[in-house]
Amino acid sequence: DGGITQSPKYLFRKEGQNVTLSCEQNLNHDAMYWYRQDPGQGLRLIYYSQIVNDFQKGDIAEGYSVSREKKESFPLTVTSAQKNPTAFYLCASSIFPGRGPNEQFFGPGTRLTVL
Amino acid sequence: AQSVSQHNHHVILSEAASLELGCNYSYGGTVNLFWYVQYPGQHLQLLLKYFSGDPLVKGIKGFEAEFIKSKFSFNLRKPSVQWSDTAEYFCAVNAGGTSYGKLTFGQGTILTVHP
Repeated sequence: DGGITQSPKYLFRKEGQNVTLSCEQNLNHDAMYWYRQDPGQGLRLIYYSQIVNDFQKGDIAEGYSVSREKKESFPLTVTSAQKNPTAFYLCASSIFPGRGPNEQFFGPGTRLTVL
Repeated sequence: AQSVSQHNHHVILSEAASLELGCNYSYGGTVNLFWYVQYPGQHLQLLLKYFSGDPLVKGIKGFEAEFIKSKFSFNLRKPSVQWSDTAEYFCAVNAGGTSYGKLTFGQGTILTVHP
């Protein structure tokens, strides 16, 4: 059963702590993305990666970091430098964008609350 | 930079009413257009997409959208809504020809359908 998994579903952290959100896909997709969803603001792109060992900043990358060591995995670290980290985080994947129009598939999301 | 605007934040309808959700984008070149839907407690999923060809596209669950290039619009329609259509709807745009498949999302429209 192919898809994207994100864990955990809910995450609580104290202010000042770094936290890493997991994203795994078994769709054999080349590209992966991280979005942040806030009420009334839609989805905003944090980071994206087209291939392994390569990634680029999106529109709101400050205070976040990523790695892409494996095709299947694209973890996101929310650092203590992120001023307003409480949000719903969505991971997505797609075929390599250069191969055609991009349709992204989404995971179930992780709701992060920083206390 | 491209942007996407959804004019209605919250739409409330009764069952069997007709639906039209507005979406406008700002980009002068070739675009790929998407509508995604997020049902309560579920993954964000693709409702329909436009890449090229017939500007009237049909999606799942009786939804359709019309691409009007001259108006930079991609409005979503359904002739008769059901209670199960209650969800949040997102319009998204990918500037065609870009190499990385970046999607820009609108702010989202919450649709509430009363039985």
